Amino acid sequence: GPKVLQIPSHQIIDMGQMVTLNCDPVSNHLYFYWYKQILGQQMEFLVNFYNGKVMEKSKLFKDQFSVERPDGSYFTLKIQPTALEDSAVYFCASSLAGVQNTLYFGAGTRLSVL
Amino acid sequence: QQQVRQSPQSLTVWEGETAILNCSYENSAFDYFPWYQQFPGEGPALLISILSVSNKKEDGRFTIFFNKREKKLSLHIADSQPGDSATYFCAASGTGNTRKLIFGLGTTLQVQP
Repeated sequence: GPKVLQIPSHQIIDMGQMVTLNCDPVSNHLYFYWYKQILGQQMEFLVNFYNGKVMEKSKLFKDQFSVERPDGSYFTLKIQPTALEDSAVYFCASSLAGVQNTLYFGAGTRLSVL
Repeated sequence: QQQVRQSPQSLTVWEGETAILNCSYENSAFDYFPWYQQFPGEGPALLISILSVSNKKEDGRFTIFFNKREKKLSLHIADSQPGDSATYFCAASGTGNTRKLIFGLGTTLQVQP
C-alpha cells in the first residue's frame, strides 16, 4: 500500500537545540498531519496542514513548533528550541481528502531530548 | 479527559478464539470510527472503519459492532491468529471543519498459538 516515510527514525538532541523532523507523504495526498505519542500514552493530535496552511492545531502544538512543506517536498515539523518534555515518538500521516479518508502513517521518529 | 476510551489495556487469547476489544467515546458529534492496527516499530495502519449511521461493519475476520445510544463500539477478531498480535487503536472524528482523529490508548493483543 501507499507509504509514508519518516526520516530519521531516531534523533537525539540536547535541550535548547533546534530539530527538524522530516516526512515524505504519499505523493498525491493533500492533507498532512503530525501526532505525538509518549510511551504508554495515546497518540495525540498536534496539527494538520492543507494547501500550504495550518488548518487546525492542538494545545500541544506550542509556539516553538512550526510546520511547512516547501515546494511540495518533505512535510517538516520543526521544534526550536527543544525542551525535555518534547521527547516522544512523532508520527506523520497523510490523506487524500479529509479525515474520513484513510490516514496513512509513517513509522515514526523517536525524538530524545537530553 | 480522554474522549476515547479503550478496554482492556491488554488481552491474551488462544489461536482460533474470538478477541473482543472495546471502545467508548464522549462526544456525540463523533460520527466516524476507524480502528488502526500497529505492529512494533511501525506506524498505525487502518484496519476497518464504521460510520455512525451503521451498527455493524464486517471485513473478513474483523467486525465492528456499534451502539450509538450507548456511545460504545467493539472490534471482534474471529479465528484469531498469532499474526494478529499487535496494538489496536480505536479512533474517532466528527463532522464539520475538524479534520483530526482522536485516538484511544490502545489495546495490546497477544494471540497464543
